[in-house]
Amino acid sequence: DAKTTQPPSMDCAEGRAANLPCNHSTISGNEYVYWYRQIHSQGPQYIIHGLKNNETNEMASLIITEDRKSSTLILPHATLRDTAVYYCIVRVEAAGNKLTFGGGTRVLVKP
Amino acid sequence: GAVVSQHPSRVICKSGTSVKIECRSLDFQATTMFWYRQFPKQSLMLMATSNEGSKATYEQGVEKDKFLINHASLTLSTLTVTSAHPEDSSFYICSARDPRQIRSGNTIYFGEGSWLTVV
Repeated sequence: DAKTTQPPSMDCAEGRAANLPCNHSTISGNEYVYWYRQIHSQGPQYIIHGLKNNETNEMASLIITEDRKSSTLILPHATLRDTAVYYCIVRVEAAGNKLTFGGGTRVLVKP
Repeated sequence: GAVVSQHPSRVICKSGTSVKIECRSLDFQATTMFWYRQFPKQSLMLMATSNEGSKATYEQGVEKDKFLINHASLTLSTLTVTSAHPEDSSFYICSARDPRQIRSGNTIYFGEGSWLTVV
């Protein structure tokens, strides 16, 4: 699986949009971009994933650049409960394929 | 949505004893489950891939005789930490892949995690 690079931490204001960047310059054509988050002392929670098109669901939006070398996770209206570590992972979707976690971005939403 | 559950959520055991952690997929069958370990303020580290009906595949540096994995059914995988020592104290997390998604790009779901403290 391709490696990803994320800023180690970022703060954002409650109610504002949070934009979380991820670089994956070595991504292959068949690798998806996945985002998970981990709230303290809990298991990771799936947020969103995409291949090349932008994606949106009830939690977030995922913007993938045209060359697919980077992406941005957007939390449209951050709340205090969004404080967590956010992980960007790229992987080929296959039955036995594992998720490899990097350092992630520790996001602190402030009132 | 898919749910993966772990039990127990917290366990304290004495040094030298063994402890078992269960991982269940509640509403789907999972031929593959994964076990992770996470130390405080660190990322998740994959320990092994659990395959139903066959031996688990361990990551480099993980002792298979110490961390016994059994995936006896399509909804249950167990991790047994044998002869536990204080350095085994950690947050153990399992995940399972939901195979029901028709569209490519299936999602993996995680359990709530299990805190192990060895005293």
